[in-house]
Amino acid sequence: DAKTTQPTSMDCAEGRAANLPCNHSTISGNEYVYWYRQIHSQGPQYIIHGLKNNETNEMASLIITEDRKSSTLILPHATLRDTAVYYCIVRAVRAFGQGTRLTINP
Amino acid sequence: DSGVTQTPKHLITATGQRVTLRCSPRSGDLSVYWYQQSLDQGLQFLIQYYNGEERAKGNILERFSAQQFPDLHSELNLSSLELGDSALYFCASSPRLANEQYFGPGTRLTVT
Repeated sequence: DAKTTQPTSMDCAEGRAANLPCNHSTISGNEYVYWYRQIHSQGPQYIIHGLKNNETNEMASLIITEDRKSSTLILPHATLRDTAVYYCIVRAVRAFGQGTRLTINP
Repeated sequence: DSGVTQTPKHLITATGQRVTLRCSPRSGDLSVYWYQQSLDQGLQFLIQYYNGEERAKGNILERFSAQQFPDLHSELNLSSLELGDSALYFCASSPRLANEQYFGPGTRLTVT
């Protein structure tokens, strides 16, 4: 499985855009990038995924670089309820890693 | 609500015992995954089933086993339990082999 690298933690002010980076330099051409988040000890929640093009849904936007070696998850107007651990995963199963602990501050 | 259900929510048992965790996937999903999450640890993939057959294995101990039944629900059996098996156990499902996963609320296992 392609490995991903994410910052351990990030802070963002409420109402601002939260931009979470992920490096996946060993990604293969047909591997998708998936993002999930886990709020406290709840079950992880699927957010978004993409292959090459940028994607947007009601929760977030995903920007993938042209060389596909990195991506950024954007929460456009972060709220306190977005405080969670965010996982970037390449390939649909398995290695969730440690993720980024995002804290939204009032 | 993801549509994935897990029972029981909490389980407290003693070392050496055996327990069974149950998972019902979302309607129509053929693939089921099991994960273990110890305190302050990341999610560890244990095993995946697709339409009743084992498809991928992760860091699953020999004391643990799983199966997926014809109605697509799955069970994870943990035997000869040790204190270190105390963790959250999550089940997830997806429509096919490699899609986004939808997670259940988890079963919190405490081994005393």
